[in-house]
Amino acid sequence: EVQLVESGGGLVQPGGSLRLSCVASEFIFSNYWMHWVRQAPGKGLEWVAHIKQDGSEVYHVDSVKGRFTISRDNAKNSLYLQMNLLRGEDTAVYYCARVRDGGLDIWGHGTLVTVSS
Amino acid sequence: DIVMTQSPLSLPVTPGEPAAISCRSSQSLLHSNGYNRLAWYLQKPGQSPQLLIYLGSNRASGAPDRFSGSGAGTDFTLKISRVEAEDVGVYYCMQSLQAPVTFGQGTRLEIK
Repeated sequence: EVQLVESGGGLVQPGGSLRLSCVASEFIFSNYWMHWVRQAPGKGLEWVAHIKQDGSEVYHVDSVKGRFTISRDNAKNSLYLQMNLLRGEDTAVYYCARVRDGGLDIWGHGTLVTVSS
Repeated sequence: DIVMTQSPLSLPVTPGEPAAISCRSSQSLLHSNGYNRLAWYLQKPGQSPQLLIYLGSNRASGAPDRFSGSGAGTDFTLKISRVEAEDVGVYYCMQSLQAPVTFGQGTRLEIK
């Protein structure tokens, strides 16, 4: 089954760090752009970052620039989001998603990040 | 950044009746390849979002044929020909013409 599985979420204090991972299975991971999208409790979807197939192009939303870094390891079929200097407003479920024809056609189940003291 | 505006934000519908959601973008979503970079998603309660429509009007694999997308440039519409109970959830439009990718606020569909 084509799927994405996120991990790495949890409770962290403000100013702390976390590294999220997303493992892909049953498709050629290196063929696709990949995205991170988050959803704060009770709120809508917010796009966070994306990365090109070979990792040569990345883009982060302004609210996380300088704090978050998207990366990938195609040999491990894995996508990552390194999150530093975390703030309360970063509390959210983080989803990884695959891009196909401009749409995010495969989504993971999400991993919850809670930033609180 | 491209701003995406959906209406209505809440949509009560009787089962079997049609429904429509509007999405407007602050600038044209027409790509140089001739396609509109607009997608629609449904997030059912407690689930991850699922793709319904891509490139403005193409139904995603697995999306029921009662869902259709139309529009071009800055004005787009998602239509449900006959609403079913399983269509309850929040619908989002999303543009991917330029970074940052942006979503609409979401439209909550509920059954009357």
